[in-house]
Amino acid sequence: AQKVTQAQTEISVVEKEDVTLDCVYETRDTTYYLFWYKQPPSGELVFLIRRNSFDEQNEISGRYSWNFQKSTSSFNFTITASQVVDSAVYFCALSEGFFGAGSYQLTFGKGTKLSVIP
Amino acid sequence: DSGVTQTPKHLITATGQRVTLRCSPRSGDLSVYWYQQSLDQGLQFLIHYYNGEERAKGNILERFSAQQFPDLHSELNLSSLELGDSALYFCASSVGGGTSEAQYFGPGTRLLVL
Repeated sequence: AQKVTQAQTEISVVEKEDVTLDCVYETRDTTYYLFWYKQPPSGELVFLIRRNSFDEQNEISGRYSWNFQKSTSSFNFTITASQVVDSAVYFCALSEGFFGAGSYQLTFGKGTKLSVIP
Repeated sequence: DSGVTQTPKHLITATGQRVTLRCSPRSGDLSVYWYQQSLDQGLQFLIHYYNGEERAKGNILERFSAQQFPDLHSELNLSSLELGDSALYFCASSVGGGTSEAQYFGPGTRLLVL
């Protein structure tokens, strides 16, 4: 069965600090997809990134970067120069490659609550 | 704005009652997924519909049911409500197809059972 672990329940940083959110996953499949979502205090879930298991290149998008390492089953998320607007709960999620019924439901970690202090 | 709409935003009801949550997917998306977010269980997958057909069930109680209509909107029906059903219910949509595309989530319906 697939599983996602976000060991950090809460993190507090001072504005402009860098912060890394950890995500470790378990899956039996060789084809799978990893995601990060952000849930700000308003409650909606905002899609940030999708990565498939065959693409281990790190990705950078502005102040956000993602480090995918299959050898350690990790997909970590770094925010550089954090801002107060980054305060949110961040979820890592996993979807396995293919089901007979063609369904790709997400298995979420418990989330990491990030507080950025001005 | 993800393009996914959910109504109502908030719902307060009593134990034993029945409610219906509604979701309209993004234009062009054929898949609708329902998730429940609660403090103790976190975010859990409930059910997936693709182009009107049920594709997969997750941790969905027998008291809960869903359907997807020809216009692709979906409804989640919760009956014989219990206090523990209080949660944030999300629907998400994706294009659907052969790979796991990103799922875009609606704003959620916050259900409070008193």
